[in-house]
Amino acid sequence: GEDVEQSLFLSVREGDSSVINCTYTDSSSTYLYWYKQEPGAGLQLLTYIFSNMDMKQDQRLTVLLNKKDKHLSLRIADTQTGDSAIYFCAEDHGSGNTGKLIFGQGTTLQVKP
Amino acid sequence: GAVVSQHPSRVICKSGTSVKIECRSLDFQATTMFWYRQFPKKSLMLMATSNEGSKATYEQGVEKDKFLINHASLTLSTLTVTSAHPEDSSFYICSAHPPSGGPGDTQYFGPGTRLTVL
Repeated sequence: GEDVEQSLFLSVREGDSSVINCTYTDSSSTYLYWYKQEPGAGLQLLTYIFSNMDMKQDQRLTVLLNKKDKHLSLRIADTQTGDSAIYFCAEDHGSGNTGKLIFGQGTTLQVKP
Repeated sequence: GAVVSQHPSRVICKSGTSVKIECRSLDFQATTMFWYRQFPKKSLMLMATSNEGSKATYEQGVEKDKFLINHASLTLSTLTVTSAHPEDSSFYICSAHPPSGGPGDTQYFGPGTRLTVL
C-alpha cells in the first residue's frame, strides 16, 4: 500500500541548516513534493523533484532523493524564523500529473532565534 | 501563482445542521478539485476527488451521503457536510488541479475551512 512517513518535530537555531526527512513505500511515484503549511493556512508548494533525479536545488532549498532507499529529504539553508511551519512531503503514487497525492504526517519545524 | 479560495474560512454550527463549504479557483479553470480533511497534528486525508460535470470519486471509508460534493462549474466545487456532528469538526482543505501545466502546478491549495460542530 501507499505510505509516507516523516519525523514529527525538528528544532533548529536561526541561521543553522534544517534537514527534514521523509520515506515512502510506493516505488511507482513519478514526482515527489514538499509543501509548507503555516498555522491556520492551506498548503504552499515549495518544490518538487522528478523521480529520476537525485538532487534539485532552488535558492535555500535542496531536495535529495534516494530512490533505491525511497528516501526524500529537504534541506533549508540559513533557516529563518519565518521558516517555522509544518512541512509535508507527498508523492503521486505513479499517477503523474493527475493531482492525486499521498501526504506524510508533516514535520513541525521550530526555529529558535 | 494560481489562487484558490475557500468560503467560509471558519464556521461554527449546531449538531444536526448541514454546512456548505465552497472552493473556487480564481484565475484558472479546474476540471479536478480535491477535498482533504486535516486532523490536529495529523496529515491531510484525501476525502474525494471532485470532477466537473460528473460524480465525485470518494476514498475508502468516506461516506458519500454524509459529505456531498458538487462540482457545478470549472471554477467551483462545494462540499456539504450533512447532519453535522461534533466528530465532523475538523479543518477542511480543497485543492484545484489545472488541466495543463508542469508538475509544479499539480495542485493549488485553498486556505482551509475550520468547522466546529457544537
